[in-house]
Formats: sequence, structure tokens, C-alpha cells
Amino acid sequence: AQKITQTQPGMFVQEKEAVTLDCTYDTSDPSYGLFWYKQPSSGEMIFLIYQGSYDQQNATEGRYSLNFQKARKSANLVISASQLGDSAMYFCAMRRDSSGNQFYFGTGTSLTVIP
Amino acid sequence: GAVVSQHPSWVICKSGTSVKIECRSLDFQATTMFWYRQFPKQSLMLMATSNEGSKATYEQGVEKDKFLINHASLTLSTLTVTSAHPEDSSFYICSGTNRMGNQPQHFGDGTRLSIL
Repeated sequence: AQKITQTQPGMFVQEKEAVTLDCTYDTSDPSYGLFWYKQPSSGEMIFLIYQGSYDQQNATEGRYSLNFQKARKSANLVISASQLGDSAMYFCAMRRDSSGNQFYFGTGTSLTVIP
Repeated sequence: GAVVSQHPSWVICKSGTSVKIECRSLDFQATTMFWYRQFPKQSLMLMATSNEGSKATYEQGVEKDKFLINHASLTLSTLTVTSAHPEDSSFYICSGTNRMGNQPQHFGDGTRLSIL
């Protein structure tokens, strides 16, 4: 069963605009963590932001923020003031406490920032 | 942030060769390391999970004798692709983590393996 769903295979955004990348998840665990990673064309996986299931506030890291809606089981990534260097694949991932340290990755969203 | 070093970055070799890929955590102790395989424009596919000092746990469909994983210390895990064939060509990427909770997995830069 798909545990992480990213419904946007590709997204385009104008430079300096904000963009939202969607992520929904499926778990019955009360405790879990949600992560976003960026993968540029060079291949490395860059950790962006984390949201814990018990966190009351949405996580923010610089231009990245996570719109966490627990009841809807969604954890969308918002990138503000897009830059050309933001063009990359973005993966949403979930770690369930019941599964130890294993992560479940979504299929990814390819973001292209247009000058 | 935590650093994971993976090498080699690129490998091109003949069919039948065995290839070893190393994954080192440079500034933290990785009690658990993961090995993933990624095809172009696809997500990461977990191959195996290894805990230091224990045998790796392989995902369904991953051949244990084909992909040998060793995690002998808290800072080093290796993946050996034995008798590699062209269908083993792929991008392999490792990650490490030192505990549960809110710690992310820290990834190496990946290895592009091409078998001729």
C-alpha cells in the first residue's frame, strides 16, 4: 500500500514566486515524522525540513515551510521566493516509529523554476 | 550537518566484475545504514537496512547473494555488487542515521554504476 503520495510529477514556478509541493501520507501510527528532501540533477539527497506528528506548529527552515494538516494527513512543502537553484526533484518521506528508522519515500515532484 | 561520504561516485566496469561501494559517516555514528537503488526519474527503492554488527535485512525481491552488505563498524557500511551485469547498472545511494526520533537520514552523494 502506498504510504506516501506525491500527486504532482512536475511543477513549474516563476522565479521569485512561491510554490507548494503536495504530499499526503497514510499511517495509523500515532507517532511519526515527515521529511522533505531535495535531489538536484547531480544526485545527492539534501535534507530540507522535518515535521513531527506531535509538533503543534508548522516547521520552517528559511525559505522552506511545511504546511502540516494532520487531520488531512498532508504535509505540503512551501518554497517561498523561488530561485533558479531550486530546480530539482523533491521527495517527501515518512518515518513511522513502529518501523524503526526506515523511511518511506514518495515518487517525487520535479520542480522547474522559470527565469 | 551530519556528513556521509560515499565512493566511488562513478564506476564503469565489465560484465562479471564485482564492485564494492563504501559508505562512511564522517562526523556521527550511524547505528543504522540504508542502501537504496534509484532508476532515472524514479523514487528511491530501499534495498536493505543494516544495523552495525548485525546481518542486513533485505527488502523483498533483492537478492542477498547478489548485493552483499557489510556494516562492520558504526562509521562504515559497504555494498558489493557481485558478478555485475548490465541490468545492475543504476544509481546506488546510501544513508545513515544514529537514532530514531526527529533525526533525518543523512545521504551519501550516490554512486553511478554502469556495467558494460
